Amino acid sequence: QVQLVESGGGVVQPGRSLRLSCAASGFIFNNYGMHWVRQAPGKGLEWVAGIWYDGSNKYYTDSVKGRFTISRDNSKNTLYVQMNSLRVEDTAVYYCVRVHGEYNFFDCWGQGTLVTVSS
Amino acid sequence: SYELTQPPSVSVSPGQTARITCSGDALPKQYVYWYQQKPGQAPVVIIYKDNERPSGISERISGSSSGTTVTLTLSGVQAEDEADYYCQSADSSGTHWVFGGGTKLTVL
Repeated sequence: QVQLVESGGGVVQPGRSLRLSCAASGFIFNNYGMHWVRQAPGKGLEWVAGIWYDGSNKYYTDSVKGRFTISRDNSKNTLYVQMNSLRVEDTAVYYCVRVHGEYNFFDCWGQGTLVTVSS
Repeated sequence: SYELTQPPSVSVSPGQTARITCSGDALPKQYVYWYQQKPGQAPVVIIYKDNERPSGISERISGSSSGTTVTLTLSGVQAEDEADYYCQSADSSGTHWVFGGGTKLTVL
């Protein structure tokens, strides 16, 4: 079955870096666009970043541009996000999500990994 | 910027109909998708392309659109429908994606 498993979350000080990974299985990874969506504690969903199926195009929400980098390794069926210059307001559960093959919505979600930015 | 607006909360009694709206200037041109999120769980898509229901989603759930507003309708609300609901869309180039602020549905 389709599965997305995030890892790499934890507690980090403001200004430091963290890299999240998402291992995909149960589908042909390099056929799908992939994104990261986050949810701060007690708050709503926020789209963070997306990458095309082949990695040729990437896009970001304004608040993370220049600090976060999304990437993928199709040979390893893995999605990444490198998060630099972390801020307290980046504290959230980060979900790895798959884009539906035909329409612009997220048809599969991981269980999420918690990133806490705190001094 | 591309924004979607939802009411923070909606409350209904069991058996009644709940309607959750999502408004945005670009909605006449873009599809809207709806997700249900229960506490401690990842969201699940319940409506796609404004009004299509994925397999396995209850027929009590439906979507509609009119101008700059789309509406999620839950008929015959049950206790299990209590959850947070989010609308989502993307611009035509697929480079900017957005969620509404979310609506907490309370079953009284």
